[in-house]
Amino acid sequence: QKEVEQNSGPLSVPEGAIASLNCTYSDRGSQSFFWYRQYSGKSPELIMSIYSNGDKEDGRFTAQLNKASQYVSLLIRDSQPSDSATYLCAVMHNSGGYQKVTFGIGTKLQVIP
Amino acid sequence: KAGVTQTPRYLIKTRGQQVTLSCSPISGHRSVSWYQQTPGQGLQFLFEYFSETQRNKGNFPGRFSGRQFSNSRSEMNVSTLELGDSALYLCASSPMTGGMNDEQFFGPGTRLTVL
Repeated sequence: QKEVEQNSGPLSVPEGAIASLNCTYSDRGSQSFFWYRQYSGKSPELIMSIYSNGDKEDGRFTAQLNKASQYVSLLIRDSQPSDSATYLCAVMHNSGGYQKVTFGIGTKLQVIP
Repeated sequence: KAGVTQTPRYLIKTRGQQVTLSCSPISGHRSVSWYQQTPGQGLQFLFEYFSETQRNKGNFPGRFSGRQFSNSRSEMNVSTLELGDSALYLCASSPMTGGMNDEQFFGPGTRLTVL
């Protein structure tokens, strides 16, 4: 079982719709969770971090965390063509006594005009 | 505050050669992590350095090595290059204070092509 799992997609949504990106993780002791956006040919850019159960909203983005289900998601409201990118889920967990960040493979999002 | 810088941005090498990549973290950040990114494999963790000490290492052969200097700048070295080493190498910096704000910020990456 992979430590962080994402559906690689592509996930296609029409412009203006809500895009829902999902991620599960295996280490129940994981503490911090991050979403990165990566445009083709560019490096990942941090868009959201979440540490507690529940929802965290930042503009059109909402991160949701459910530690009991080991599940974290990212909702993008009013999706725009400029949101088309790969979204990486990252989980911080303990490894060998230190914190380590493990990434999912990323979900490719396509917003159709 | 300046972001993470990586040099060089692009490299073309031939099999058997070695290469050194450099990363300068955000000022004040003491942790530097290195990742290899290839299509289909995603971001693969190479190693993490904190205050000149390697704290974590991924599942890569010994040809991949790194170090960190007292000013937190880090280098990674790949010896005896293979075709499969062609990838985007990303460096990420973080305060890694053990608190809730240990977010990682990535540099632009070094695109390595092995011919």
